[in-house]
Amino acid sequence: LAKTTQPISMDSYEGQEVNITCSHNNIATNDYITWYQQFPSQGPRFIIQGYKTKVTNEVASLFIPADRKSSTLSLPRVSLSDTAVYYCLVVGYNNNDMRFGAGTRLTVKP
Amino acid sequence: DAGVIQSPRHEVTEMGQEVTLRCKPISGHNSLFWYRQTMMRGLELLIYFNNNVPIDDSGMPEDRFSAKMPNASFSTLKIQPSEPRDSAVYFCASSFQDSYEQYFGPGTRLTVT
Repeated sequence: LAKTTQPISMDSYEGQEVNITCSHNNIATNDYITWYQQFPSQGPRFIIQGYKTKVTNEVASLFIPADRKSSTLSLPRVSLSDTAVYYCLVVGYNNNDMRFGAGTRLTVKP
Repeated sequence: DAGVIQSPRHEVTEMGQEVTLRCKPISGHNSLFWYRQTMMRGLELLIYFNNNVPIDDSGMPEDRFSAKMPNASFSTLKIQPSEPRDSAVYFCASSFQDSYEQYFGPGTRLTVT
């Protein structure tokens, strides 16, 4: 499984766009990139997944450059309720063995 | 669907006692995962099952831990004997096999004194 590196913490203000970048230099050809969100006292929640280029859903966008050695989770116009820990994971194709790292603790301020 | 159901939500026990955590996955999901979360070690995958069969238990800390999935709608994680260092939040998650979208339960907060 590819090792991931992401910032320990980030601060933002309400209404701003937040970009969290994750490095995964040794990602394999068949690996997918997945992001989860965890609120205090809750289990993680799936946000988005992608393989290359750009993926967008109602919650976030995921940008993956051509070399796939990094990925960026973009949260548009964050609110206080987006304060959470965000995890980047690299997962093998057809393999649901997922290992969570330390994640990025995002704090949104008023 | 009610989502992944875990019981109990909180458990306080004394060192040396047996602890059994229970999980009911989302109906139709055929993969089930047990995780443990602590401040020091973060979120760790303990074991996961596909179609009720254990696939990888390399994350199970030691022989004191065991997990079973007797059928598609029920799984247990047992600790015997429990130790204070087992204190953590234990999450159960389920998914369709080969899906990256896991659904987590509310967790069981275990305190071993």
